[in-house]
Amino acid sequence: DAKTTQPNSMESNEEEPVHLPCNHSTISGTDYIHWYRQLPSQGPEYVIHGLTSNVNNRMASLAIAEDRKSSTLILHRATLRDAAVYYCILTDPGAGSYQLTFGKGTKLSVIP
Amino acid sequence: DTGVSQDPRHKITKRGQNVTFRCDPISEHNRLYWYRQTLGQGPEFLTYFQNEAQLEKSRLLSDRFSAERPKGSFSTLEIQRTEQGDSAMYLCASSLAAVTNYGYTFGSGTRLTVV
Repeated sequence: DAKTTQPNSMESNEEEPVHLPCNHSTISGTDYIHWYRQLPSQGPEYVIHGLTSNVNNRMASLAIAEDRKSSTLILHRATLRDAAVYYCILTDPGAGSYQLTFGKGTKLSVIP
Repeated sequence: DTGVSQDPRHKITKRGQNVTFRCDPISEHNRLYWYRQTLGQGPEFLTYFQNEAQLEKSRLLSDRFSAERPKGSFSTLEIQRTEQGDSAMYLCASSLAAVTNYGYTFGSGTRLTVV
């Protein structure tokens, strides 16, 4: 399975943008990049996913490098509610497996 | 909001006892997943159902674990002869169609403590 590398932790000031990096140098051409986040005492929550092009939704933006070996989750304006562990995950449904392989993720702290 | 429901939220049991957890997925989702999460770690995949068929099982799912999804609706996860190492958060998720197009929706989990 292709693996991802994320910083263990990051800090951001409230109301400022946050850029959460993810390296996936062994990504294959059919791997999708997914981001989930997990707030304290809750299950993971889907944030966004993409394949090659940058993606935007109401929660965040996903910027994918041209060579696809890295990506960045962008929270445009951090709030206290965004304090969570963020997971970057690669999936290849064409391989017949639908499991998500979580790493340890990046723990984001938001400072008021 | 009819998200994924898990019951109970917390369970404390004595070592050697059997426990059963229930998951009610989003009604139109045909795929259901079980994950386990220990403190400080990301969730680990246990098993996956498409409708009532169990299609994938992790090596983590020992003989003491069994999961069912009768009639392709709710699912149960049973752990027999619990051990202290089974203490964890058990998470259920559901999805519709391919993960390429839809994110998984997770429940809030069942926290198991084996004493």
